Amino acid sequence: SQKIEQNSEALNIQEGKTATLTCNYTNYSPAYLQWYRQDPGRGPVFLLLIRENEKEKRKERLKVTFDTTLKQSLFHITASQPADSATYLCALPKNSGGYQKVTFGTGTKLQVIP
Amino acid sequence: DAGVIQSPRHEVTEMGQEVTLRCKPISGHDYLFWYRQTMMRGLELLIYFNNNVPIDDSGMPEDRFSAKMPNASFSTLKIQPSEPRDSAVYFCASSLVQGAGYEQYFGPGTRLTVT
Repeated sequence: SQKIEQNSEALNIQEGKTATLTCNYTNYSPAYLQWYRQDPGRGPVFLLLIRENEKEKRKERLKVTFDTTLKQSLFHITASQPADSATYLCALPKNSGGYQKVTFGTGTKLQVIP
Repeated sequence: DAGVIQSPRHEVTEMGQEVTLRCKPISGHDYLFWYRQTMMRGLELLIYFNNNVPIDDSGMPEDRFSAKMPNASFSTLKIQPSEPRDSAVYFCASSLVQGAGYEQYFGPGTRLTVT
């Protein structure tokens, strides 16, 4: 069956360091992968989309890699700040009758310590 | 644009009562999604619409759940009768598919508590 795995344990990191979050998947052949951020009491907010033919994507302090052989995406936040503390979700499309239906991972909670 | 609007933000009801959750998507978006989020199961897709037409309702847990989208600017998710296990945060999201860009814009959610 299709599965998306994110580290369910919280990741604690010192301010200024690089945070790296992992998203592994099985039995998917995604054309793209998305990363979202969710703050407590709020809905997820889209951050980045990376396509299957892209190995790396950057946006400001964020970097995403996508390895379709390893079936893994890594999400990096460089020079992390306490404001980066949130839960980060990866999402993959599940083709459904030609429409795009996305499945979310359970997310990894990041805590950046000042 | 004000973003996706959901109401109410919080709902507390007794078991057996009917609950209606409301969503106004971002103007011009042609997809609308209803999700449920719990600690145990994470974010689960319940149903989604394209141009007001339900495309996939395979995530709707039971017949007690129903969703409608009478027009492009309004959707409802109804639970009748509600049960304590329906307690969760319900999110509505919308998206616009342009050249295979599929980012979803989420509303603030409705926190439902069924006692």
